Amino acid sequence: NAGVTQTPKFQVLKTGQSMTLQCAQDMNHEYMSWYRQDPGMGLRLIHYSVGAGITDQGEVPNGYNVSRSTTEDFPLRLLSAAPSQTSVYFCASSYSKTDLNNEQFFGPGTRLTVL
Amino acid sequence: GEDVEQSLFLSVREGDSSVINCTYTDSSSTYLYWYKQEPGAGLQLLTYIFSNMDMKQDQRLTVLLNKKDKHLSLRIADTQTGDSAIYFCAERPDGRGSYIPTFGRGTSLIVHP
Repeated sequence: NAGVTQTPKFQVLKTGQSMTLQCAQDMNHEYMSWYRQDPGMGLRLIHYSVGAGITDQGEVPNGYNVSRSTTEDFPLRLLSAAPSQTSVYFCASSYSKTDLNNEQFFGPGTRLTVL
Repeated sequence: GEDVEQSLFLSVREGDSSVINCTYTDSSSTYLYWYKQEPGAGLQLLTYIFSNMDMKQDQRLTVLLNKKDKHLSLRIADTQTGDSAIYFCAERPDGRGSYIPTFGRGTSLIVHP
């Protein structure tokens, strides 16, 4: 298993540009989520999904869209990039609410800079 | 306020024990986790404890849970330079339909020779 993969690893955008951060998992996990990590702020939940076709907002959803058309993929779209969205983005997945400990598996992260 | 709180930094000498503390607010939490993040990488689960336990030991790691005070700690014995990382405490409350855990801000552990 490749686990959770994210592309790209690094990205530089200009203010106002749009882009999609890709996330895929090959563990047949039901739950997937996107976090952003900023210095001193820890991990903040952007959006999450409990299954294909179902998404919901997390703590900081503004400026981001998600969709979950398949179990494997959970892309994060930045509609009009702003400097405040400069961050490291992590995708995570976990099995299901019946899983013994509901361990979250994290991708390696995408480092985004918005100029 | 925050659901999960941790101090931001801890500095120890190699060979000493490290104790990282965490407090949480949701008394219905069923699982409490410690994740480790090495530089430039994602988080990895280090250990977890179920809420009906008060201690869990795994090699150099000891997790203590005081459910009454909602206090969780991670003790690393014989701390090595390779233990330098950010350690995140997380809780997973029962009853939250999404079962997405809430993370603290992370404690940066610095181990110096």
